[in-house]
Amino acid sequence: DSGVTQTPKHLITATGQRVTLRCSPRSGDLSVYWYQQSLDQGLQFLIQYYNGEERAKGNILERFSAQQFPDLHSELNLSSLELGDSALYFCASSLAATDTQYFGPGTRLTVL
Amino acid sequence: TQLLEQSPQFLSIQEGENLTVYCNSSSVFSSLQWYRQEPGEGPVLLVTVVTGGEVKKLKRLTFQFGDARKDSSLHITAAQPGDTGLYLCAGARNYGQNFVFGPGTRLSVLP
Repeated sequence: DSGVTQTPKHLITATGQRVTLRCSPRSGDLSVYWYQQSLDQGLQFLIQYYNGEERAKGNILERFSAQQFPDLHSELNLSSLELGDSALYFCASSLAATDTQYFGPGTRLTVL
Repeated sequence: TQLLEQSPQFLSIQEGENLTVYCNSSSVFSSLQWYRQEPGEGPVLLVTVVTGGEVKKLKRLTFQFGDARKDSSLHITAAQPGDTGLYLCAGARNYGQNFVFGPGTRLSVLP
């Protein structure tokens, strides 16, 4: 158990819908990362927050957004969902902005 | 283009065999990490290497960082079915930069 929690574990929805994925970092960690993992794309970095502020942005679509709240938990919002958005979404946290990352168990999103 | 390449992409072996997987780049990294990811779970950190030529051992796993800090290898001795998973390497080019992940090697150890 890494100490990072993610909810929900599974999510099934339809195309065009909007969903929110939630992540709670390890106690004391200030940085949160979001990744998308699909079979053909590997682990793709989406975005990073550090102490409430966006720190780095990767291959995140405009339909996706994220934020980190004052209590340091983070949410990833996915809207206008497409079939190709079906994937595992992982959250990771680290103590500092560029420290070792500890991954949560992931949320499996299925878009039908 | 991937900053980090991993080979082989897939590997299926029998229990008890030895294997080596590789992580390569044309870039120099200040540090490199190896993760193992089991099906349906998040990646778990195995080791971090920071010095060129460094060798670290974790039970039956031996990790080596290349002298030039551009590549790394993971050697598993007497593989067991529990070693099955996706092995990911991740590198940080400079101190203060995020780690970038390679595409992974998917290992299957058959009993």
